[in-house]
Amino acid sequence: EVQLVESGGGLVQPGGSLRLSCAASGFTFSSYSMNWVRQAPGTGLEWVSYISSSITTIYYADSVKGRFTISRDNAKNSLYLQMSSLRAEDTAVYYCARGPSSFDYWGQGTLVTVSS
Amino acid sequence: DIQMTQSPSSLSASVGDRVTITCRASQNIYTYLNWYQQKPGKAPKLLISAASSLQSGVPSRFSGSGSGTDFTLTISSLQPEDFATYYCQQSYITPWTFGQGTKVEIK
Repeated sequence: EVQLVESGGGLVQPGGSLRLSCAASGFTFSSYSMNWVRQAPGTGLEWVSYISSSITTIYYADSVKGRFTISRDNAKNSLYLQMSSLRAEDTAVYYCARGPSSFDYWGQGTLVTVSS
Repeated sequence: DIQMTQSPSSLSASVGDRVTITCRASQNIYTYLNWYQQKPGKAPKLLISAASSLQSGVPSRFSGSGSGTDFTLTISSLQPEDFATYYCQQSYITPWTFGQGTKVEIK
């Protein structure tokens, strides 16, 4: 069974940093591209970032470019999102989702709240 | 960026009704269009990819059609478990973008 489990969310002050993790199991993680998608409270879905299976290709949404860094460790079956210079508008549930461009499996999400 | 516009934003329907949701892209995306279902407090679920390809395990009452800029998701006979919010998403070019969602409510 494919499972994606996010962790690392929490309350952080504006300007602060946070690192999200996504632990994958039930499939050959190193063969799949992965994504982060977020959903602000009561709103729709926003794609955040993409990383290819071999880490050769990375994309970011303009809203996070220069502040967020996606990475992965295929040996640990894990996906990461390093978030810095956080803003109130980054408050959202963050999901990891298996790619490449249609998202067939999602984690349960982890809530990031940016507030003083 | 490609803008995705869904209509309606919400609808009320009864069990057994035929429901159609439309999604329009701001430019030609061929058939690079996916549909998701999201229930409150849950992660989205992929229903249809490549405009019309039903995902494994998704009931056949769901169907997708369209190409270019205009797409539809149809539920042929609405069931109680189908009350949810539905999103379209283009996978033609990054940034991948979603429609604003269509909330299907019980009449």
